[in-house]
Amino acid sequence: NAGVTQTPKFQVLKTGQSMTLQCAQDMNHNSMYWYRQDPGMGLRLIYYSASEGTTDKGEVPNGYNVSRLNKREFSLRLESAAPSQTSVYFCASSGLWSPEGDEQFFGPGTRLTVL
Amino acid sequence: SQQGEEDPQALSIQEGENATMNCSYKTSINNLQWYRQNSGRGLVHLILIRSNEREKHSGRLRVTLDTSKKSSSLLITASRAADTASYFCATVETSGSRLTFGEGTQLTVNP
Repeated sequence: NAGVTQTPKFQVLKTGQSMTLQCAQDMNHNSMYWYRQDPGMGLRLIYYSASEGTTDKGEVPNGYNVSRLNKREFSLRLESAAPSQTSVYFCASSGLWSPEGDEQFFGPGTRLTVL
Repeated sequence: SQQGEEDPQALSIQEGENATMNCSYKTSINNLQWYRQNSGRGLVHLILIRSNEREKHSGRLRVTLDTSKKSSSLLITASRAADTASYFCATVETSGSRLTFGEGTQLTVNP
């Protein structure tokens, strides 16, 4: 099993350009997440999908949109990239959505630079 | 805002020594999790401790949780150079199911 995969691994954009980050998991997990990690900081939740067909905002959703394409795939879109969105983006998944939470499995990350 | 705060921010030890990292948080939680991140890689789940547990072991890892002090510690015994990584605590609050991460402790184990 590949676990959680992300594409691309690296990307450089100019301010105002758009792009979509792709994420897929092959663990039959219900829940998927997008985080960003800035230098010297922990991860901050952008959006999440508790189950197929649902999406919700996290801590820092402004400037992003998401699509839960099917149970396996969860994409993150930047409509008009800004330098403040320069970061490393991680996708994660977990088996179930419960009030107690669950361990999450992370992809390798996408390193995005916006000039 | 970050829920968990790790202490110290950076820790450098010799191989074979024990490493202790601490995490404090602000609100009531369902569970607390520790993750490891090697440089340039994604996070890997290490251990989960529930709010009704006080201590948990996994191999060379020992995690304690003190809900009265809203704090947790991660102990890595007999450290190895391969343990060099950033370690993050993450909490699941009683008000929701989402993970909230701290800023991490950078551990360097010198051979």
